[in-house]
Amino acid sequence: EVQLVESGGGLVQPGRSLRLSCTASGFTFGDYAMSWVRQAPGKGLEWVGFIRSKAYGGTTEYAASVKGRFTISRDDSKSIAYLQMNSLKTEDTAVYYCTRNPSSFDPWGQGTLVTVSS
Amino acid sequence: DIQMTQSPSSLSASVGDRVTITCQASQDISNYLNWYQQKPGKAPKLLIYDASNLETGVPSRFSGSGSGTDFTFTISSLQPEDIATYYCQQYDNLSSLTFGGGTKVEIK
Repeated sequence: EVQLVESGGGLVQPGRSLRLSCTASGFTFGDYAMSWVRQAPGKGLEWVGFIRSKAYGGTTEYAASVKGRFTISRDDSKSIAYLQMNSLKTEDTAVYYCTRNPSSFDPWGQGTLVTVSS
Repeated sequence: DIQMTQSPSSLSASVGDRVTITCQASQDISNYLNWYQQKPGKAPKLLIYDASNLETGVPSRFSGSGSGTDFTFTISSLQPEDIATYYCQQYDNLSSLTFGGGTKVEIK
C-alpha cells in the first residue's frame, strides 16, 4: 500500500524555522517527484512546491509566496522528503500535506499542522 | 500565474440530483486539469485526472469534461457520502501549480 506520513509540525514563533518530514512507503520513492500542499484553517488548497526525481535533476519549484524562505529536499535512501521552512510568518499557519507527483497529486498524507504564533 | 475560477463556491442538492461544478482557467491549459474531493477533516483525494479520466476505484457517477479554458465536473446522482469540498487544479505550468477556490457540496 502506498503511504505518506508527515511529521514535524507544531507551534513556532514568527521568524523562526521548522522542518517537516514526509516518510514514504509502498513504492519506489526515488522514481517520483514529491510535492507539498498546504491549507490554512478554513481555506482552500495552496501548492507550496515540489522536488523532481534525481532522474530529472532533482530540481525544485516553489510558489511565489514561499520562494526564498522554504526549501524542499529529499533523501532517497530513507524515502523521505523534507520541507525546510525559514522566516516563518503568521500567514504560513496551515495543515501541510505531502503528496506524490506535481501533475496529479496522489496519494496524500494525513497532513501536519503548523501554527505560527507568538 | 494561471488563475482557476471555480463556481459555485457552495451548493445544496437533494440525494439523487445531478450536480455540476465548473472551473475556468485564465488561459488555455489543454486538458491539464484534475479534480479532487476533500471530506471534512480528511486529506484530499484525486478523482479525475487529465480533465476526464476517472481514477481507479472512483465511482462512475463522477465524471469530468472540457479542454482549453472551460471544464465541468459532474456527479450524476448525488449520494450522502459525496458531501465534501471539490477542487480543480491545473498543471499546465509546473512552475506555478494552482487550485480553484473549491466548491462545498451539501445535502438539501
